[in-house]
Amino acid sequence: TQLLEQSPQFLSIQEGENLTVYCNSSSVFSSLQWYRQEPGEGPVLLVTVVTGGEVKKLKRLTFQFGDARKDSSLHITAAQPGDTGLYLCAGPPISGGYNKLIFGAGTRLAVHP
Amino acid sequence: DAGITQSPRYKITETGRQVTLMCHQTWSHSYMFWYRQDLGHGLRLIYYSAAADITDKGEVPDGYVVSRSKTENFPLTLESATRSQTSVYFCASSFREKGFFGQGTRLTVV
Repeated sequence: TQLLEQSPQFLSIQEGENLTVYCNSSSVFSSLQWYRQEPGEGPVLLVTVVTGGEVKKLKRLTFQFGDARKDSSLHITAAQPGDTGLYLCAGPPISGGYNKLIFGAGTRLAVHP
Repeated sequence: DAGITQSPRYKITETGRQVTLMCHQTWSHSYMFWYRQDLGHGLRLIYYSAAADITDKGEVPDGYVVSRSKTENFPLTLESATRSQTSVYFCASSFREKGFFGQGTRLTVV
């Protein structure tokens, strides 16, 4: 059982559509991070959310941290083919140590022209 | 270039052999991690280290050994490789709760 559950596992959409991916846990996290990974590369950090209820925007990407710090979402507006990739959420659980990063299984996004 | 360097990038080894994956960081981040990535499982933590000479088990440590005699190096050793250890291995460091990853080592055990 994953400590961080991501949904959906796969998402295939057309260019211009909006989408939301979710990252849920029964545990509290001191922060949650979102990474994007392309084939043959390591994950690259997109954003870190720290405060419960926090919303961060990165161009067409909007990240939200749940009030109870147990869940997060990533919303992409007007998706583009360049958004294609594996999106991973990760975080250090409160009980697990300040810097111990645990990952979800990821959401694989394909955006078709 | 600064960052995390993993070597080799690709490795094929036989069942039962010992193999070591290398990881070097050009920063001085205290925390370093080894993950394996398999389809359907995402990144699973094998071992992590909070500082030189301090290591601890992650989610899937069996069959692996780590050491950290210097802050910048964090090698991962498979003592007797098994086919189930075929995977992509990522080394990472962490600073202020931000993770920085290497490009990965694709290991195939035949």
